[in-house]
Amino acid sequence: RKEVEQDPGPFNVPEGATVAFNCTYSNSASQSFFWYRQDCRKEPKLLMSVYSSGNEDGRFTAQLNRASQYISLLIRDSKLSDSATYLCVVTSYNQGGKLIFGQGTELSVKP
Amino acid sequence: DVKVTQSSRYLVKRTGEKVFLECVQDMDHENMFWYRQDPGLGLRLIYFSYDVKMKEKGDIPEGYSVSREKKERFSLILESASTNQTSMYLCASSFTGRTGELFFGEGSRLTVL
Repeated sequence: RKEVEQDPGPFNVPEGATVAFNCTYSNSASQSFFWYRQDCRKEPKLLMSVYSSGNEDGRFTAQLNRASQYISLLIRDSKLSDSATYLCVVTSYNQGGKLIFGQGTELSVKP
Repeated sequence: DVKVTQSSRYLVKRTGEKVFLECVQDMDHENMFWYRQDPGLGLRLIYFSYDVKMKEKGDIPEGYSVSREKKERFSLILESASTNQTSMYLCASSFTGRTGELFFGEGSRLTVL
């Protein structure tokens, strides 16, 4: 079983739609969680950290469920420019804080 | 504007050649990393370094070595390139204590024939 699992998609949605991605992790000692965004043929960039209480940044909301070991990313009012691959990233105390990347979920927002 | 610069965007090498991939960051970050990214496998950590002259193996170090002689520079070396090392190589850096915030270079796409 992979340490961090994501639905690879692609998710094809119309502009203005709300879309949600889930990511599950297997290590119960995981401590920190992040969402990265990677545009086609570009490098990954940090989108947002995920806090225990959940956090919001504009149209983006991140949630953490430690009991079920998953994190989620909700995008409201999707824009064409949101088209990208979204990478779930987890770090764990018992792995020296090393970042573990999911394979990514591809989002395509259509006009 | 902060930057991680990788020396070559595209390289084509032959099996058995020695390959150097250079990475330089201008943010005074302590930590530097080398990943490779392959379809269906995601990003996998090859080597990392938390300080000058220090290196640690990641998840897939076989066939690779690294060098960190200066804080700003982290080099990845393929001693004898093989076709299964054809991949996108990504360098990244971060501050200690903010290891979740990686800054990546644009990547080096290596093809080994």
